[in-house]
Amino acid sequence: NAGVMQNPRHLVRRRGQEARLRCSPMKGHSHVYWYRQLPEEGLKFMVYLQKENIIDESGMPKERFSAEFPKEGPSILRIQQVVRGDSAAYFCASSPGVGAGNSPLHFGNGTRLTVT
Amino acid sequence: GESVGLHLPTLSVQEGDNSIINCAYSNSASDYFIWYKQESGKGPQFIIDIRSNMDKRQGQRVTVLLNKTVKHLSLQIAATQPGDSAVYFCAEAGGTSYGKLTFGQGTILTVHP
Repeated sequence: NAGVMQNPRHLVRRRGQEARLRCSPMKGHSHVYWYRQLPEEGLKFMVYLQKENIIDESGMPKERFSAEFPKEGPSILRIQQVVRGDSAAYFCASSPGVGAGNSPLHFGNGTRLTVT
Repeated sequence: GESVGLHLPTLSVQEGDNSIINCAYSNSASDYFIWYKQESGKGPQFIIDIRSNMDKRQGQRVTVLLNKTVKHLSLQIAATQPGDSAVYFCAEAGGTSYGKLTFGQGTILTVHP
């Protein structure tokens, strides 16, 4: 089975440009989570989505960041007008459900965003 | 806010030794704990998990211990190998969403041949 697929693996953007990060969950998984990892830190939760619904976006910055998980296609994390502080590794994880029986999360290999 | 943290940021061991990585957590409502291994350039890889109704769980060469009294979690790796060199994170979750994890800072494990 293919794991969580993220692309691109590396993304370079100039300040003010837009970054679009894509995540395809594992087959059969309808729950997607996005996390951000700054250098030498642990991962920080950003947003939790199910198909066509944002369930919990408590970790998302209020401005410039948005996420979607359409009925068809991958989940997208969008960062508008990027700034240098957005440089980080962004990881996506998926699960088949939310209960304890659906643990643990399986992560992709991330997208490393560099803002110049 | 409540968080999960690690006592030691780095751990250096000889091949064949046993390794112990520690983690303290402060959210008493957490009831699910996970250890992840992260190699350079990769995403976190699941190692082992434990629920709060247990105090010990064993896998292949790994054991997780949970002490709810002092809110402490540890990962023991037996016969550590150079391939075990990585950053190890503990994470905790609870409530209604077991996908919303709180990660600790991480411990860098280096295994010398």
